[in-house]
This record gives sequence, structure tokens and C-alpha cells, in this order.
Amino acid sequence: AQTVTQSQPEMSVQEAETVTLSCTYDTSESNYYLFWYKQPPSRQMILVIRQEAYKQQNATENRFSVNFQKAAKSFSLKISDSQLGDTAMYFCARRGPHTGTASKLTFGTGTRLQVTL
Amino acid sequence: GAVVSQHPSWVICKSGTSVKIECRSLDFQATTMFWYRQFPKQSLMLMATSNEGSKATYEQGVEKDKFLINHASLTLSTLTVTSAHPEDSSFYICSARVHYRSYNEQFFGPGTRLTVL
Repeated sequence: AQTVTQSQPEMSVQEAETVTLSCTYDTSESNYYLFWYKQPPSRQMILVIRQEAYKQQNATENRFSVNFQKAAKSFSLKISDSQLGDTAMYFCARRGPHTGTASKLTFGTGTRLQVTL
Repeated sequence: GAVVSQHPSWVICKSGTSVKIECRSLDFQATTMFWYRQFPKQSLMLMATSNEGSKATYEQGVEKDKFLINHASLTLSTLTVTSAHPEDSSFYICSARVHYRSYNEQFFGPGTRLTVL
């Protein structure tokens, strides 16, 4: 099974500080996509950031950036200048390159992030 | 971004009754939709992949006759929980895949909370 592992069930960070969420995955494919999704208390899943495995450059989206280590199969999310609105459950996910039914998102178990004053 | 709606947002039903949940892509056509189930404080588990005009593909362990999926059009997929029982109580989330900004992107609905008494 191609799994996604998030080893930090819960994390806490003070407002304006930086926090890093960890994710490792297992895959036999050479090309794939990695994602971080945010699920706030409203339960709406929101895409935070996307990384294509064939791209060496780490993806960034404003305050969010990733550290993608392909050889180590590691994909961590760094949130800079944390805001209260960042409080949410964060899920790491992997998807294969194909567009057919084989291309499914596999989610990690999630990390609950609490941003405090 | 693309919008996916779900209806109802929450439903309470008696044991033994059937419940239908609708998933609509509001401003795009989706050939593929996905149905997930999420238990409290847990990750999203894929139940089935729904393709317009064809039978859904169910994940291992998901009862096809209990969770009926119909993808009748490019903007609508429905999940019917037949003869619901208390153990079917959960949060059900759909998502729709579309080619968006050169990616095959998945957009998520806001979810439906099902409570079976």
C-alpha cells in the first residue's frame, strides 16, 4: 500500500511564529503530486499548496512553503507568520500522475494545528 | 476557484431509512467525482470514484448495495445510503476533479453530516 504518514497528531504555535508540519510517504512511482490541505472547524477542505514530484524547486504560496525531499520521500509544510485563522487540521496527500481512476488522493492522518495568542 | 456544493449539509434519519446526498459542481463540468467518509478526528477515507455515465468504482470494503452512487450528469453525483444504521453516522464529503490552471485539480464540497438514530 502506498501510504502517507503524519507523525505529529497535534501542534501548537504562537501567533506570528513559524511552524513546520511533517509528512512522509511511500510510493513506487517516479512522478506524482503532493498536496497539503487545510480543514478548518467548518470542515471545508481547502488546498494550501501543491508540489509536482518532477520539479526540484520547492513550492511556495505566500506564507506557506514546502520542503520537498524526493529521495527521502519527505514533504513538510512550513507556515510563516502564523495567524489565528491558520488553526485547522492539516492533511498531507499524495496522488499519482494518471488522470484515470487510478489517480486517487491518499491522505495522511492529519495534524491538528492550534495557533495561540 | 471552482465551487462544489453538497445538499443537505446535515441530515438526521431513523434507522432503516434511506438518505440521498447530492454533490454538484456549480461552475464547471466534472467527469469524475469522489465520495469520502470522515469519522470524528480522523482522516478522509475514499469510498468510491464516480464517473459520469458509468458505474462507480468502489474501494475495498465499501458495500456497493448500501452506498449507491449515481453520476447522472457532468455536474451532479448522488450518494444514497440505503437502510441506514447508526454505524453509518459520519461526515460525508464529495469532491470533483477538473482540469484547472493546467492541473487536474480536485475541489471539495462542504460535507454532509449524517446522523442515524
